[in-house]
Parts: sequence; C-alpha cells; structure tokens
Amino acid sequence: DAGITQSPRHKVTETGTPVTLRCHQTENHRYMYWYRQDPGHGLRLIHYSYGVKDTDKGEVSDGYSVSRSKTEDFLLTLESATSSQTSVYFCAISERVDINTEAFFGQGTRLTVV
Amino acid sequence: DAKTTQPTSMDCAEGRAANLPCNHSTISGNEYVYWYRQIHSQGPQYIIHGLKNNETNEMASLIITEDRKSSTLILPHATLRDTAVYYCIAVDGSSNTGKLIFGQGTTLQVKP
Repeated sequence: DAGITQSPRHKVTETGTPVTLRCHQTENHRYMYWYRQDPGHGLRLIHYSYGVKDTDKGEVSDGYSVSRSKTEDFLLTLESATSSQTSVYFCAISERVDINTEAFFGQGTRLTVV
Repeated sequence: DAKTTQPTSMDCAEGRAANLPCNHSTISGNEYVYWYRQIHSQGPQYIIHGLKNNETNEMASLIITEDRKSSTLILPHATLRDTAVYYCIAVDGSSNTGKLIFGQGTTLQVKP
C-alpha cells in the first residue's frame, strides 16, 4: 500500500472554529489532492497541489484553504467550520500525469461540525 | 476534462462477468480513461487505465472503442467482494495538474 496517512481519522468540532486536516505521504509524489464525499455527490475535488507551494482550486473550494510547504505534507484548513462542511474527506497522491501512473487514496477523515 | 456518463447501478451474478459501460463522447486525444472503485466507505482504489488500446491486468480488462467515445470495464469473474461503486474518469495526460474529476459512478451489486 502507498504510504499515505490522514490525520485525524475522526473529528467533531463546533461551528465557527478553524479545523486543519493533515495528509502525509512517504512516496515523494508530486501531486496531492483533497476531496470531500457526501451522500448523493460522489467525490468532489476541493484543492490540489502540483508541487511545493503550487496549489490550485478544485470544484468546491469555498471555505477551504490549503498549504504545502514540503513535499510530504498537504494541509486542508476549514477557516470557520460550518455544518455544511460535515463530510468525509479524502486525500490522494499521484506521481505523474501520464501513462503508467495512478492515484492512491488515504482512508479518509470523517469530520462532523455541530 | 471530458465528462463521463455511467449507469447509476447494475447487478451481476457471482461468478459471471460484470461489464460496466462508460460514455466519454467528448474525450480528447490526450485524455486517458481511468477506472477506480470504492468499496463501502474506503478510499477509492485504482483498477486500470488506457488511452487507445484495450488493456488487461490482474483485476480487470478495459475495452475502448475505436473512436474512443466509450469504454467498458470487464470484471471477468465477479465475486461478492467486487460490490462497490465504480468510477470512470477521463484524465488529461498532457496537463500539469493531474486532477481527477469524479462523476457519480456505477454502483455494482454482485449477488450470490
């Protein structure tokens, strides 16, 4: 299995508080992604990174920010958590975007905003 | 990135072949067809990918039509453990972003 770890795995937080989720990889892969998954919506891309300090928005980036100061860590921050951000969050990594590459996903973080 | 269209759900008898279709009529020449699956609440798992030619690995086969507007994922002998949501995704191989845009996928139910 690819070395990708999400932390925490479960979190309950209150509305209005900031929350940071961490994705850590040991594969030295260039690309990292954050997705959220909600019933009836499948996986939706929040933000992604194509290198250290190189990030861009995905489909549902409002209310989220990211940072990647080193290859192995990609942080997702909910600046002021809302109940609509209750979801399961998945991190993914990939090495290249061409033939013979695949993305590896973490086990997910279940976030509940009360 | 090309949009893909898949049936919402399918059933398959255990031990039989499962054929999952995907339509990607607007796919460009640089876009690969990737398949992932997600079992229950786990993270998605890579299955197979291809550009033009048919591909086979230990998990599945991928048949891409000559005009590349559609493809079929084949699980040759489905087991109960293959029950999952299967995603077909078009990925731009020339892009420097590598982003994967998931659709709704097909929920495959393998029945005994």
